[in-house]
Amino acid sequence: DAKTTQPNSMESNEEEPVHLPCNHSTISGTDYIHWYRQLPSQGPEYVIHGLTSNVNNRMASLAIAEDRKSSTLILHRATLRDAAVYYCILLNSGYALNFGKGTSLLVTP
Amino acid sequence: KAGVTQTPRYLIKTRGQQVTLSCSPISGHRSVSWYQQTPGQGLQFLFEYFSETQRNKGNFPGRFSGRQFSNSRSEMNVSTLELGDSALYLCASSLETSGGFGYNEQFFGPGTRLTVL
Repeated sequence: DAKTTQPNSMESNEEEPVHLPCNHSTISGTDYIHWYRQLPSQGPEYVIHGLTSNVNNRMASLAIAEDRKSSTLILHRATLRDAAVYYCILLNSGYALNFGKGTSLLVTP
Repeated sequence: KAGVTQTPRYLIKTRGQQVTLSCSPISGHRSVSWYQQTPGQGLQFLFEYFSETQRNKGNFPGRFSGRQFSNSRSEMNVSTLELGDSALYLCASSLETSGGFGYNEQFFGPGTRLTVL
């Protein structure tokens, strides 16, 4: 299985950018890199995904390393509502898709 | 557009019993995935169904099974419940096509909280 590695927790100040790293050194060429977040007492929520190129949407940016062995989720201005557990996963048919424990982001005012 | 709905939201069972959980995907979504979330193991993939066929399966024992109906609604069943099956069971639907899995985002439901006593 292609696996991902993320820090257990990170902390950020409100209105500052946040860079959440993810390592996926065993990624295969057809794996999509997805990011989800989970707020307390809710199901996970889609944030962004990409294959090879950097991606931007209204929620965040995804920077993918040239060798695709790592990626970084960028929240441009963290708000208190961004406090959540962030999961980096690889999606492709045939894989067991375990989210792991993700990175718990704490945002302080 | 209605989101993914799961019923029931909470369930209490005793060891040895069986349980069936239901998931209604977003209209038009043909792929439905199931996940188990526990504090110790995090969020783990159970299986994925597309057009009534199980297309992907995680590393869970055969006590965990599922099915998908022609209207894309899905059910998962756990037989001979064990204490360790206590978890939040999440369902997600996606606009996947027959050609692959992973291209599109998954939309998660609120989950069913199962407690096994």
